[in-house]
Amino acid sequence: DARVTQTPRHKVTEMGQEVTMRCQPILGHNTVFWYRQTMMQGLELLAYFRNRAPLDDSGMPKDRFSAEMPDATLATLKIQPSEPRDSAVYFCASGLDAYSMQYFGPGTRLTVL
Amino acid sequence: GQQLNQSPQSMFIQEGEDVSMNCTSSSIFNTWLWYKQDPGEGPVLLIALYKAGELTSNGRLTAQFGITRKDSFLNISASIPSDVGIYFCAGGEQGAQKLVFGQGTRLTINP
Repeated sequence: DARVTQTPRHKVTEMGQEVTMRCQPILGHNTVFWYRQTMMQGLELLAYFRNRAPLDDSGMPKDRFSAEMPDATLATLKIQPSEPRDSAVYFCASGLDAYSMQYFGPGTRLTVL
Repeated sequence: GQQLNQSPQSMFIQEGEDVSMNCTSSSIFNTWLWYKQDPGEGPVLLIALYKAGELTSNGRLTAQFGITRKDSFLNISASIPSDVGIYFCAGGEQGAQKLVFGQGTRLTINP
């Protein structure tokens, strides 16, 4: 049963600390997405990659957020320094293209105090 | 940017009732997807639609790709308690190279 996995599932940290979230996409999927979900904004696309290359990160605050794919089995999203307004659930999703079926991971619930 | 108008925002129904929800857009989409999200989990893909007019079922769920390509509908027949959750529509445009998500419909079932 192929699934997207994300770690950690929950993270509580203090303002100013670095946060790293990890994602393992479904094997064979060449497109990976990072989303943020809040009550106010719903699901927001932060960034996505195809074949490990970043294609669109226009939804991401560039001064503190960075997304990378060191290899085909790992995607990372880093926040440095974190702020309370970054508190949200961060989802990774993978698929075979950017405008079709995407499969979501269980999410990382981030709380920044 | 593109936006999807999903309605209703919330529904309170009795178990056994049928449910209907829809999404509309000012833009034409090539793909419509419907997802369900349970509390504390990620959205799970329910149905994917790729052609205008297409009608696809998944158990008690039926979704349709509107013929104008600007809307889609999801129906749930004979609702059961495990149908509770938030349902999201998403539209995909080949040129835009991304999905646009609706704000969700929160379904609550009264016992």
